[in-house]
Amino acid sequence: GIQVEQSPPDLILQEGANSTLRCNFSDSVNNLQWFHQNPWGQLINLFYIPSGTKQNGRLSATTVATERYSLLYISSSQTTDSGVYFCAVSVGSGGTSYGKLTFGQGTILTVHP
Amino acid sequence: NAGVTQTPKFQVLKTGQSMTLQCAQDMNHEYMSWYRQDPGMGLRLIHYSVGAGITDQGEVPNGYNVSRSTTEDFPLRLLSAAPSQTSVYFCASSLGPHSTDTQYFGPGTRLTVL
Repeated sequence: GIQVEQSPPDLILQEGANSTLRCNFSDSVNNLQWFHQNPWGQLINLFYIPSGTKQNGRLSATTVATERYSLLYISSSQTTDSGVYFCAVSVGSGGTSYGKLTFGQGTILTVHP
Repeated sequence: NAGVTQTPKFQVLKTGQSMTLQCAQDMNHEYMSWYRQDPGMGLRLIHYSVGAGITDQGEVPNGYNVSRSTTEDFPLRLLSAAPSQTSVYFCASSLGPHSTDTQYFGPGTRLTVL
């Protein structure tokens, strides 16, 4: 099956700093999503981004599908950004993936005040 | 809308016991799935359903059963619990099976098998 690797595994920042999280995947995908798991365990979808660039406030993401990687940028980090960030991908035929996501191991982000 | 709800939030079982983890959504989503999350690992797909009456296996289906009799509910059954099934279980749903559909996750059930 497809392999998903995220780096770094852990990241510690001071409030206000910027960061870049990386997701490498081993095969062509038709679905790539970034999730944030907050300290209470809730998973929130951040981006659906199988290719291209998207921005949402202080967060942005870029996926270069031909080179099989995606980047999540966090600017001016806040303590509320703390948690685990997951990249998840799927492959499918006929343009459908049935939501069968394969997750990376995640990046644990800690933002200190 | 309540979104995706899961019950119970916590559960402790003894080896060999059976139980059902409940998952419900009120968004009229066709696609539902179950994942487990273990320490240091991402989520792994257990079973999924693309509509009422249709289910299929994911990456780690052994020891779990599912059924989908209604659009709203997708229970996960542990037939004979084992310590290796100690984990946090998440249910997710999306509008349809297509790759563009955002997945919504429930709050999780933390299961301990002694």
